[in-house]
Amino acid sequence: AQKVTQAQTEISVVEKEDVTLDCVYETRDTTYYLFWYKQPPSGELVFLIRRNSFDEQNEISGRYSWNFQKSTSSFNFTITASQVVDSAVYFCALSTSGTYKYIFGTGTRLKVLA
Amino acid sequence: EAQVTQNPRYLITVTGKKLTVTCSQNMNHEYMSWYRQDPGLGLRQIYYSMNVEVTDKGDVPEGYKVSRKEKRNFPLILESPSPNQTSLYFCASSLARGKGADTQYFGPGTRLTVL
Repeated sequence: AQKVTQAQTEISVVEKEDVTLDCVYETRDTTYYLFWYKQPPSGELVFLIRRNSFDEQNEISGRYSWNFQKSTSSFNFTITASQVVDSAVYFCALSTSGTYKYIFGTGTRLKVLA
Repeated sequence: EAQVTQNPRYLITVTGKKLTVTCSQNMNHEYMSWYRQDPGLGLRQIYYSMNVEVTDKGDVPEGYKVSRKEKRNFPLILESPSPNQTSLYFCASSLARGKGADTQYFGPGTRLTVL
């Protein structure tokens, strides 16, 4: 069975702090894809990153970085020097080559306080 | 502008009154999908479609129907809505270059309340 766990329901940080959002996934497939989406207070879902199972390189995009570790089945997301605009719910998602289904985690609500 | 549109954005209805939420995309995507978002449960996939006339169940299909008669449209049908279908619904689309490979792009959401 496939599963995505985001154990952190809500995180609060003060602006300029670094914060890491955890994502742990389960799948038996060897080919799979991991995603992060952001849902700001306005409600839309914004794509952030897609990573396939063959590419364990970490990625950095501005203040955002992602750490993919197959050994621990984790795909964690770090925001450096957080800003109030980063306040949102963040979802991690999994899809595998064996199915057309997408499995989302329950999301982590990040509150960045000024 | 490339986008996924949903209508209506907000809907209040009563138990048992059939309704349809429309979804349309202008990106020529093969794959389309419906999700519901509930507090504490994240997004759960209801149905998806790989192409015209090809649909399959997601994790929570009970009480819903879909059809894919045209590539750009993927309506969600609730034939007899019940209060437990009160939720925020999202439609999404993507290319289908490989199973599960592609990034989904989401519509703005439809907030449905069933009284």
